Amino acid sequence: GQQVMQIPQYQHVQEGEDFTTYCNSSTTLSNIQWYKQRPGGHPVFLIQLVKSGEVKKQKRLTFQFGEAKKNSSLHITATQTTDVGTYFCALSGSARQLTFGSGTQLTVLP
Amino acid sequence: EADIYQTPRYLVIGTGKKITLECSQTMGHDKMYWYQQDPGMELHLIHYSYGVNSTEKGDLSSESTVSRIRTEHFPLTLESARPSHTSQYLCASRGHSTGEQYFGPGTRLTVT
Repeated sequence: GQQVMQIPQYQHVQEGEDFTTYCNSSTTLSNIQWYKQRPGGHPVFLIQLVKSGEVKKQKRLTFQFGEAKKNSSLHITATQTTDVGTYFCALSGSARQLTFGSGTQLTVLP
Repeated sequence: EADIYQTPRYLVIGTGKKITLECSQTMGHDKMYWYQQDPGMELHLIHYSYGVNSTEKGDLSSESTVSRIRTEHFPLTLESARPSHTSQYLCASRGHSTGEQYFGPGTRLTVT
């Protein structure tokens, strides 16, 4: 099945700094989803990207889907302590099951 | 907020016991999923269902089994628990028209 590489695995930032996590695939993706999981919590859907070159924003979060639909990124501007958690990208399979990336654990230092 | 529930939230049991993890959703979703996640790690799909009487194994080999007798209910059973089954088990369902999956709060299982 399809696989996706997600980097970095860990990221520590000072509050107010920016943060970016990347997902890369060797194959063209039909779509990509992003989830956030707070420590001790469950994944919560953030967004789905479908179109080549698509850029979507949610307040301080910016999501991009590459032109070739093989990579995606999530960028957080001016991080806050509430941004702490693990961010996963996920690919949708033929049965609409999700294959998750390994996740990026974000720590925000006050 | 999605209406998907899992019980128990925490479970500590001895080796060899049979256990069933419950998952229910009130959204009428046809597609449901079980994922296994070790602390700080990625989620691995272990079972999924297209609808009533439909179940499939996921990418990760698992000694568990599932059933789907009712749309809203998707329990997962371990016939004989082992310490290697210690993990968090997350249930999810998928919306009809959107691609997003709604996750339950998870069951943290410890097998001693």
